[in-house]
Amino acid sequence: RKEVEQDPGPFNVPEGATVAFNCTYSNSASQSFFWYRQDCRKEPKLLMSVYSSGNEDGRFTAQLNRASQYISLLIRDSKLSDSATYLCVVMQNYGQNFVFGPGTRLSVLP
Amino acid sequence: NAGVTQTPKFQVLKTGQSMTLQCAQDMNHNSMYWYRQDPGMGLRLIYYSASEGTTDKGEVPNGYNVSRLNKREFSLRLESAAPSQTSVYFCASGKEGGQRPQHFGDGTRLSIL
Repeated sequence: RKEVEQDPGPFNVPEGATVAFNCTYSNSASQSFFWYRQDCRKEPKLLMSVYSSGNEDGRFTAQLNRASQYISLLIRDSKLSDSATYLCVVMQNYGQNFVFGPGTRLSVLP
Repeated sequence: NAGVTQTPKFQVLKTGQSMTLQCAQDMNHNSMYWYRQDPGMGLRLIYYSASEGTTDKGEVPNGYNVSRLNKREFSLRLESAAPSQTSVYFCASGKEGGQRPQHFGDGTRLSIL
C-alpha cells in the first residue's frame, strides 16, 4: 500500500460548483499535513496547512480525521483558475520525512 | 527575487551519457532537496542536504550523486543516464533542517533515449 493515496481524477466540475478531495495516509504516526497546488508543467506551491481542528482559507476548507487517517480539501464556488493538480503531503518523524501523494487533477469548466 | 533557480529547463540525453542539473537559491535557506516527479507517483525525494556540507539519501537515490557546493548551490549528477531516469526533476529549498521543502524551482524536464 502506498504511504499517501489520492484519487487521481480528473474531477471535471462547472464553475461555481463545490468539490471535495480526499487523501489517505498509512502511517498513523504522521504529524503534519498539507495541501499543495501544482499547475500544469509548473512547480508545486503550498496551498494550506491542515490543522487538527480543521481550517478555512477563503473558499478552501481543509479537514483532518486522524482516527480514519485521511485529510480532505473542500473548494467552494469553484473558479476557472482553480484548475490544477492538488497534492496531499504528509510530514512524519518531526520533519525527517515529507511524503507527497500522487495528486488529484481538477478541471473547472466554463 | 529569483527564489530557486534550476538549469537546464529541458534536456535530452542518450543512454549512458552523463550530466549535472544545477540548482541555486537566494533565500539563505539551510536545506535543499532534489525530487523527481513521474506520472501517478507523486514527488519522490532523491537526495537532500540539511545544511552546507551535508547530504543524505532520500527515497530513490540510486543512479544519482549530489554536491552541496555552498549554502546557495546544490547539484544533481547522473553519471550514466538510463531511460528509467526520464522524469521531471525539481529542486527545492527550506529554512529548516530535515526534509520540509518550502520553495520549488521551475523543474527540469529530462528525457533519456
